[in-house]
Amino acid sequence: GAGVSQSPSNKVTEKGKDVELRCDPISGHTALYWYRQSLGQGLEFLIYFQGNSAPDKSGLPSDRFSAERTGGSVSTLTIQRTQQEDSAVYLCASSLALRARRETQYFGPGTRLLVL
Amino acid sequence: AQKITQTQPGMFVQEKEAVTLDCTYDTSDPSYGLFWYKQPSSGEMIFLIYQGSYDQQNATEGRYSLNFQKARKSANLVISASQLGDSAMYFCAMRLSGGYNKLIFGAGTRLAVHP
Repeated sequence: GAGVSQSPSNKVTEKGKDVELRCDPISGHTALYWYRQSLGQGLEFLIYFQGNSAPDKSGLPSDRFSAERTGGSVSTLTIQRTQQEDSAVYLCASSLALRARRETQYFGPGTRLLVL
Repeated sequence: AQKITQTQPGMFVQEKEAVTLDCTYDTSDPSYGLFWYKQPSSGEMIFLIYQGSYDQQNATEGRYSLNFQKARKSANLVISASQLGDSAMYFCAMRLSGGYNKLIFGAGTRLAVHP
């Protein structure tokens, strides 16, 4: 496939459990971003990867959230000890990382997380 | 603080008519980029159009055009000849030159196109 893929598409979990969300960016895109979209809201930036390093983690809401990227490709967002307020759609995007203002981010379909 | 404001939670338009979706932004950075994305019910964010702060002309992409008024800090999206498939959420977003390319999004406008 040519686009950004994410898995699972839906995840229901119990409060206190850990979850892992996966993002597979467009081939050749070195920049990868995670955003969160709460119900009826705009997107909230979480973390940015350039290659395997994360120079901007400023959007992670708490230390329960972490992310990694290996091989400059797939990324995993992990939420530990989930809380009900973590329920949201988690969107991943990738770009060529040309550092140009015009550079476009391409989004995946998102993972809908529901914490009961 | 950098901020995007979309004041229209919902908009209605008749099929084949034009519609304008409002977006205002706040930044002191002279160099920035403005984006519009469409989010249909499937949830995926679809890039529509881009406007750079130094661009002399308003951006156009097919039926989409951007009414960029820099002094007013507004970047309204104009959709001409609306189609039923245009029904979706529309988000305005901004990226600053000094940042790590992260986008700052508005709350979105839900557009409904009526036949």
